[in-house]
Amino acid sequence: KNEVEQSPQNLTAQEGEFITINCSYSVGISALHWLQQHPGGGIVSLFMLSSGKKKHGRLIATINIQEKHSSLHITASHPRDSAVYICAGPNQAGTALIFGKGTTLSVSS
Amino acid sequence: NAGVMQNPRHLVRRRGQEARLRCSPMKGHSHVYWYRQLPEEGLKFMVYLQKENIIDESGMPKERFSAEFPKEGPSILRIQQVVRGDSAAYFCASSPILPSAGANVLTFGAGSRLTVL
Repeated sequence: KNEVEQSPQNLTAQEGEFITINCSYSVGISALHWLQQHPGGGIVSLFMLSSGKKKHGRLIATINIQEKHSSLHITASHPRDSAVYICAGPNQAGTALIFGKGTTLSVSS
Repeated sequence: NAGVMQNPRHLVRRRGQEARLRCSPMKGHSHVYWYRQLPEEGLKFMVYLQKENIIDESGMPKERFSAEFPKEGPSILRIQQVVRGDSAAYFCASSPILPSAGANVLTFGAGSRLTVL
C-alpha cells in the first residue's frame, strides 16, 4: 500500500518569498503528480514527473525516485498562489492516485 | 473541448434519499475516476471505470454506493439511502491513459457538493 505524506500541513508566507512543499511516499512509483486546489474547490493538475525537474512559470517540481521524495517550489510567491497543494502517486495496481492530505498555502501581500 | 463536466454542482438530500452524481469525461478520455473529499480531509480514491467496466472499486464503501460508466452517456455515482456522513465533495477525473503512465493528462471536474440534511 502506498502512503503519501506531505509537509508542512499549513504554510503562510509574505509576497515574494520562496516556498517549498515536500512530499514523501512509501513505495516505489513511476511518476508523481502535483495538484492545486483553489479556494473555490476546483482542482488543477500542475505537474506529472517521473525524474529530475520540471518548471512551469514560477513553479518548479523536483523528484528523487531513489529517495522517494518530491518537492514543489514556488518562486516569488504571490497572493494568487494561495491554495491547497496536493501530491499524489499511483496505487500499487497503477489504477488510481493516492493523495497526500495537502498543504494549505496562504500568501499575504 | 469542454473539459470534465460534473453535475449537479450542488445537491441537497434528506437522510434516506438517493443521490445521483454525473460525470462526462473529456472527449477522447476513456478512463474515469471518482474521488471523495470529506470536510477538512484530503481526496480519497473511490472507483476507477472504463466504458461498461468497473476496473477498481477498492475505495468504494461496501454498501449503498455504486458506480457505472455505460456505453453511452455519462458516468454515474449513485448513493442510496444517504446519511449525514455522505456529505462531501465528489470529484470526477478523466484521462486517456492510466495516471501511472507517461503523460500528465489527468483532468478534474469542478466537483459535486453533496449536503445531507
